[in-house]
Amino acid sequence: GEKVEQHESTLSVREGDSAVINCTYTDTASSYFPWYKQEAGKGLHFVIDIRSNVDRKQSQRLIVLLDKKAKRFSLHITATQPEDSAIYFCAARNNYAQGLTFGLGTRVSVFP
Amino acid sequence: EAAVTQSPRNKVAVTGGKVTLSCNQTNNHNNMYWYRQDTGHGLRLIHYSYGAGSTEKGDIPDGYKASRPSQENFSLILELATPSQTSVYFCASGDALGGEDTQYFGPGTRLLVL
Repeated sequence: GEKVEQHESTLSVREGDSAVINCTYTDTASSYFPWYKQEAGKGLHFVIDIRSNVDRKQSQRLIVLLDKKAKRFSLHITATQPEDSAIYFCAARNNYAQGLTFGLGTRVSVFP
Repeated sequence: EAAVTQSPRNKVAVTGGKVTLSCNQTNNHNNMYWYRQDTGHGLRLIHYSYGAGSTEKGDIPDGYKASRPSQENFSLILELATPSQTSVYFCASGDALGGEDTQYFGPGTRLLVL
């Protein structure tokens, strides 16, 4: 089955700088790649996704890049703010599976 | 955004006891999911459902049953709880559009099995 590796377990960035989280996947049939944010003691909050028919998507300060050849996708948080501090999860799914396969999460800390 | 609620939020159970975790969604999504979150494993899919009356096995179904009595409600049942089932359980709902759906998660249930 699908395996998703999230390369950074922790990330510390200065406020205003960019944070980049990288994920790789194994199943070439995967076509949907969402990102979730989890704050302490809370559930997962959907932040952005990308589908395999595009290689870049932006929503305000969030940019997702997808490299299908390398089976890699990444989340770029630009102009970071303290409220961006959280754990971020990448996930992948193909058209014949129902559930998402998650990475292990990246703890992002934004310091002043 | 979809509203997904879970109850209870925290539960302490004894080994061998029966535990039922409940999930309710109010956005009329067809699909619902149960995941567990453990350190070192991330989130893993236990069971899911396409709609009322449907339950399907996910990646780690052993020791769990599920029930979908209505569009809004999806329960996870541990008939004989074991300490290895101590975890945080998340319910999610979504609608498959072209095979790719956005899943919306509830706040989680923290289960401790003693």
